[in-house]
Amino acid sequence: AQTVTQSQPEMSVQEAETVTLSCTYDTSESDYYLFWYKQPPSRQMILVIRQEAYKQQNATENRFSVNFQKAAKSFSLKISDSQLGDAAMYFCAITTSGTYKYIFGTGTRLKVLA
Amino acid sequence: EAQVTQNPRYLITVTGKKLTVTCSQNMNHEYMSWYRQDPGLGLRQIYYSMNVEVTDKGDVPEGYKVSRKEKRNFPLILESPSPNQTSLYFCASRPLGGAQETQYFGPGTRLLVL
Repeated sequence: AQTVTQSQPEMSVQEAETVTLSCTYDTSESDYYLFWYKQPPSRQMILVIRQEAYKQQNATENRFSVNFQKAAKSFSLKISDSQLGDAAMYFCAITTSGTYKYIFGTGTRLKVLA
Repeated sequence: EAQVTQNPRYLITVTGKKLTVTCSQNMNHEYMSWYRQDPGLGLRQIYYSMNVEVTDKGDVPEGYKVSRKEKRNFPLILESPSPNQTSLYFCASRPLGGAQETQYFGPGTRLLVL
């Protein structure tokens, strides 16, 4: 069985500063994919970034990057130059190739302070 | 515009009154899935479908039914809703094959069962 743990229910960051959201996971599979989704007040689920487990290079999308530590089963999200629009709930998720099941963490609410 | 649509967006009903939440996608995706989101629990997968007439249970299927008679549609049926099914529901879709594990989410349906 797969599990995803987000141990920070809420975090705050000052505008223009950097913040890191934590996510740990567990799976016995070797071929899997990890995701960070953003959920703003509109409730829409927006993909922020994805990481294939077989790729050693950390994924990056503009101000968003991940620190993927495969041995430690850790997948943290770093947001640089935080903006007010980054305030949202962030969910970490995992799926393994061929299972078609997705497991989400409980989420981290990010507040951005002006 | 490529999208996943859900109807209705908001629904208030009473215990035991059958209801259906529709989900439709225009991207010709084989895979579709339903989730419920509850505070402190994140998103949990209810059912998923790999193609027409092929469905399988997620982690919380009790009290729900689904059908996949057409590729674009994947309705969620609550035959006898109960208050513990009050939640925010999301439909999602993705193509199969080619390492396309990223899901595209609908806007969500907020359900209140009295």
